[in-house]
Amino acid sequence: QQQVKQSPQSLIVQKGGIPIINCAYENTAFDYFPWYQQFPGKGPALLIAIRPDVSEKKEGRFTISFNKSAKQFSLHIMDSQPGDSATYFCAASKGDDKIIFGKGTRLHILP
Amino acid sequence: ETGVTQTPRHLVMGMTNKKSLKCEQHLGHNAMYWYKQSAKKPLELMFVYSLEERVENNSVPSRFSPECPNSSHLFLHLHTLQPEDSALYLCASSQDGGRNQPQHFGDGTRLSIL
Repeated sequence: QQQVKQSPQSLIVQKGGIPIINCAYENTAFDYFPWYQQFPGKGPALLIAIRPDVSEKKEGRFTISFNKSAKQFSLHIMDSQPGDSATYFCAASKGDDKIIFGKGTRLHILP
Repeated sequence: ETGVTQTPRHLVMGMTNKKSLKCEQHLGHNAMYWYKQSAKKPLELMFVYSLEERVENNSVPSRFSPECPNSSHLFLHLHTLQPEDSALYLCASSQDGGRNQPQHFGDGTRLSIL
């Protein structure tokens, strides 16, 4: 019940395409859903986060869609660029409990 | 620059060696974390310190020993490690111990156990 299931494991998209990464959770008490981006040789960095009281959040080319009833949330990258090639992690947490991370999606944007 | 600096970046050690990983944060945060990152596995939280006190230890083997002398510094002391301990060790910090806050990660120490 504490897991966050992330898919796909890897993704290759042509430049300008819209990669979509999906995550699903079981624990309905989760109330904070961040996405982290990690480049090779670097630590993860917070990209965007959402709380369950909204269904969508946009920051630049990155959008989180949240479906509370389905217990799913996803990351969309509009007009993707080769510089977006990285590993993306979804996560979930509640209150003072530890953050639970997904296994990550390795995204490659072809030039 | 993330404001969290980890040293060394790479470490190769034998199973009988003793070494330490260092983390320093320049963000004025009160909580610091150690994570283990292995290929094809989720990030594993190892230890959490809030205001220099350990608040969580996720059943980590005793061959890993954390130390937090002040709110800016965090160490991970290593001794008699096993080959399966080879991984990227990440340090992170956040404003306080509340988990619904952004965590700022360092770039990690790549540890290889011979």
